[in-house]
Amino acid sequence: DQQVKQNSPSLSVQEGRISILNCDYTNSMFDYFLWYKKYPAEGPTFLISISSIKDKNEDGRFTVFLNKSAKHLSLHIVPSQPGDSAVYFCAASEGEGGSEKLVFGKGTKLTVNP
Amino acid sequence: EAEVAQSPRYKITEKSQAVAFWCDPISGHATLYWYRQILGQGPELLVQFQDESVVDDSQLPKDRFSAERLKGVDSTLKIQPAELGDSAMYLCASSLGLAGPYEQYFGPGTRLTVT
Repeated sequence: DQQVKQNSPSLSVQEGRISILNCDYTNSMFDYFLWYKKYPAEGPTFLISISSIKDKNEDGRFTVFLNKSAKHLSLHIVPSQPGDSAVYFCAASEGEGGSEKLVFGKGTKLTVNP
Repeated sequence: EAEVAQSPRYKITEKSQAVAFWCDPISGHATLYWYRQILGQGPELLVQFQDESVVDDSQLPKDRFSAERLKGVDSTLKIQPAELGDSAMYLCASSLGLAGPYEQYFGPGTRLTVT
């Protein structure tokens, strides 16, 4: 039973436009949510996180939104750049921070076209 | 910039053989994780160490997998005997500690192919 779901395997957007990646979760004990980016032949790289006590966290071009009642979070990238092309993983943990066991979704492959 | 080191990067082995992977976390990071990522899936935690102690190994197939972190620094993950279904990317990650929020830093992974 998947606790973290990324239902879109892939997403294609034009450079300069907004990319929206979605993630749903089923475990109400999850307290902390993270997004990781992964390039081919590299390990995942931490991108941005959000605690369950917040509904928005912003870092430059990246914003994560959390809707606890819907058990849904999304990552917005504005404006999208070709270098953002990668696989994006949503992850969640029951602890207060990202050092606890992470449960990952299957990932969404983002392609940003020039 | 400090990085998590893993070796080898690629390993091809025949089924029923033994295989071992090594991980050197970022200096000063007390918590170390081994994840397995099957193609098309997200990483799945196999084992988590706090210093030299196992914190969580509930998803580690203990009949064939073993992991150790003897001095609380680098770590080894072993599979014996390897099976075809073990073909995957094995990722090591580290973080400062359990009292977060501390992000996990991942190494480049070891790609295992069992033939």
